[in-house]
Amino acid sequence: SYELTQPPSVSVSPGQTASITCSGDKLGDKYACWYQQKPGQSPVLVIYQDSKRPSGIPERFSGSNSGNTATLTVSGTQAVDEADYYCQAWDTSTVVFGGGTKLTVL
Amino acid sequence: QVQLQQWGAGLLKPSETLSLTCAVYGGSFSDYYWSWIRQPPGKGLEWIGEINHSGSTNYNPSLKSRVMISVDTSKNQFSLKLSSVTAADTAVYYCAREVVFILAAGTREDYFDYWGQGTLVTVSS
Repeated sequence: SYELTQPPSVSVSPGQTASITCSGDKLGDKYACWYQQKPGQSPVLVIYQDSKRPSGIPERFSGSNSGNTATLTVSGTQAVDEADYYCQAWDTSTVVFGGGTKLTVL
Repeated sequence: QVQLQQWGAGLLKPSETLSLTCAVYGGSFSDYYWSWIRQPPGKGLEWIGEINHSGSTNYNPSLKSRVMISVDTSKNQFSLKLSSVTAADTAVYYCAREVVFILAAGTREDYFDYWGQGTLVTVSS
C-alpha cells in the first residue's frame, strides 16, 4: 500500500519560514494537498493541487511537489499557525494521509 | 454556504456496529464524492471510504471487510456502518465533501474541502 511520510515535528521562530515535507514514491506524479488542524477542531484545507490556496487561506501558505517530495511552506510564520499539518494524496482507489507534523512556533 | 452535520451513537460495546449519518446543506450533492475519515485520540487521520451520488463506493482495504457506506440522495445524506467494533475503533469520526477530478491513465486528484464537526465514538465494555 502507498505511504506518505512526514516529520513528526517542526519548530520555527515567529516571522521565519517553516517547511514541512511529505515523502512518497513518485509523489511528484500525483497531486498532493495539505490540511491544518488545531486542537479540538476539524481539519481545514490549506493547499490543494500541489500549490493552490483555497479562498480565505493566507498568502503565506504555499506548496510545491516534485520527485518524491511535496513541501508545505509557511512564510512569515505567526503564532496562529501553530497546528498539526497533514498531507494527502490518492493512489489506486485509496485516499492516503501522511502521519502528520506538529508545527510549533517558538 | 456548505455545511456538513453529522450524528450517531457515541458509546458502543465491543462487537456492536457503529452507525453515523452526515447531512449536507448547501451546494450540489451530485457533483462530489462523500467520505468518512477517522482520527484516534492523539493520532493522525485515516480515510475510511467514499461514496458518490450513484452509490459507487471505495473503501480503505484495511477496513473493507467491516465497512459499508450508503447514500440517500433524496435527503442529501450519507451514512457509515462499521461492524464488529473493538477498542481500536475508538476515534473521532468525520464526514467530508470530496472534490474529485478524474485524470488520464486511471489516476485522479482529490481533496476534502468541507468537513463535519466530528463525532467521538468510544468503544468500551
